[in-house]
Amino acid sequence: DIQMTQSPSTLSASIGDRVTITCRASQSISSWLAWYQQKPGKAPNLLIYKASSLESGVPSRFSGSGSGTEFTLTISSLQPDDVATYYCQQYNSFSGTFGQGTKVEIK
Amino acid sequence: QMQLQESGPGLVKPSETLSLTCSVSGGSISNSAYYWVWIRQPPGKGLEWIGSIYYSGSTYYNPSLKSRVTISVDTSKSQFSLKLNSVTAADTAVYYCASGGRGFFDLMVVWGKGTTVTVSS
Repeated sequence: DIQMTQSPSTLSASIGDRVTITCRASQSISSWLAWYQQKPGKAPNLLIYKASSLESGVPSRFSGSGSGTEFTLTISSLQPDDVATYYCQQYNSFSGTFGQGTKVEIK
Repeated sequence: QMQLQESGPGLVKPSETLSLTCSVSGGSISNSAYYWVWIRQPPGKGLEWIGSIYYSGSTYYNPSLKSRVTISVDTSKSQFSLKLNSVTAADTAVYYCASGGRGFFDLMVVWGKGTTVTVSS
């Protein structure tokens, strides 16, 4: 099984800050990585697919990068609406494993 | 705009079978561009892909759940279903249905709102 590890687990930043979340895969997944945003009590929402492709309707302050085993999600200027838990997910092989999540809070 | 809605019992007894249905609207369940997916999230925990089905009936299951899971599709009703047998308290979770897209059965593009299932006697 491919394991996905996110860091940090929790992140506190100020409005307008640049925020970066890291996701590492236990083996190469090429660029088959997605990022989801989950607000409290809501279903997840797809933000990024194929490591760096922005899903339609997602604000341009969100971006993704990386390939192989190391990936990042960046929010260029943190907004109050971005308070959520963010999950990475590999879809390179069976089981579609998710990272454990990164909770983003406003300082 | 495609929408998905989960339905089914909110309480299941241990050792019994959990059964959920997802109704698809705003798009055709027979559209070859989509897979139909079940995901779950235990309370306070992360996400787990359960399995996916194509409109033709081809299925893909998480190896860790494969022995207990059956996913089926009813194109005439625009619905797909999940059955999970021999449930325990560890199967207590919010269950989501979703559409898988971009050629992948486990890339979830549109999600339902989720339904909470508790396993308890």
